[in-house]
Amino acid sequence: KQEVTQIPAALSVPEGENLVLNCSFTDSAIYNLQWFRQDPGKGLTSLLLIQSSQREQTSGRLNASLDKSSGRSTLYIAASQPGDSATYLCAVRPNSGNTPLVFGKGTRLSVIA
Amino acid sequence: GAVVSQHPSWVICKSGTSVKIECRSLDFQATTMFWYRQFPKQSLMLMATSNEGSKATYEQGVEKDKFLINHASLTLSTLTVTSAHPEDSSFYICSASGNQPQHFGDGTRLSIL
Repeated sequence: KQEVTQIPAALSVPEGENLVLNCSFTDSAIYNLQWFRQDPGKGLTSLLLIQSSQREQTSGRLNASLDKSSGRSTLYIAASQPGDSATYLCAVRPNSGNTPLVFGKGTRLSVIA
Repeated sequence: GAVVSQHPSWVICKSGTSVKIECRSLDFQATTMFWYRQFPKQSLMLMATSNEGSKATYEQGVEKDKFLINHASLTLSTLTVTSAHPEDSSFYICSASGNQPQHFGDGTRLSIL
């Protein structure tokens, strides 16, 4: 059974710092991996999606990498801002069919002004 | 982009009440919809998978008679929490899939008094 783990569970950094969030998964046979942002009491905002054949994706200050063979992904946030404060969720899609995503517990990020 | 509308966004009701949550795909046909539940500071846990016109498939430990799922059309799925109790208080999120990637609703916060 696929399990997704995110480290750290919580992180607090001063504004302007670069930071890395980690995600690991137990079964390397995935179709894709996705990073989401969730604000308190809100739904999910998709940030980046990496197909299993890709190594990384970038969007603005965000960069996500994928090492499928080792079962790891990282989300790099450059020049963090207070508006980046949220919970970041990593999720893997097991195959190309209509299968549900398997989520990690998330990393709660606080960026202090 | 694809939009999934979930309604209501927040419900407060008395114990014993039944609550219906709607999930609509606004601009695409969702052959499959997933229902997730999220407890505070926890990850999203899959409750059930529903395919249009078929009975839903429930995850282990989720009572199908308590959480009634209907997916009668390609644009609408409903989750009814029957005879809700305080322990059913949670954040419920739907996800619709007709094509990649999956699209999430904004969630429903259910509070049972």
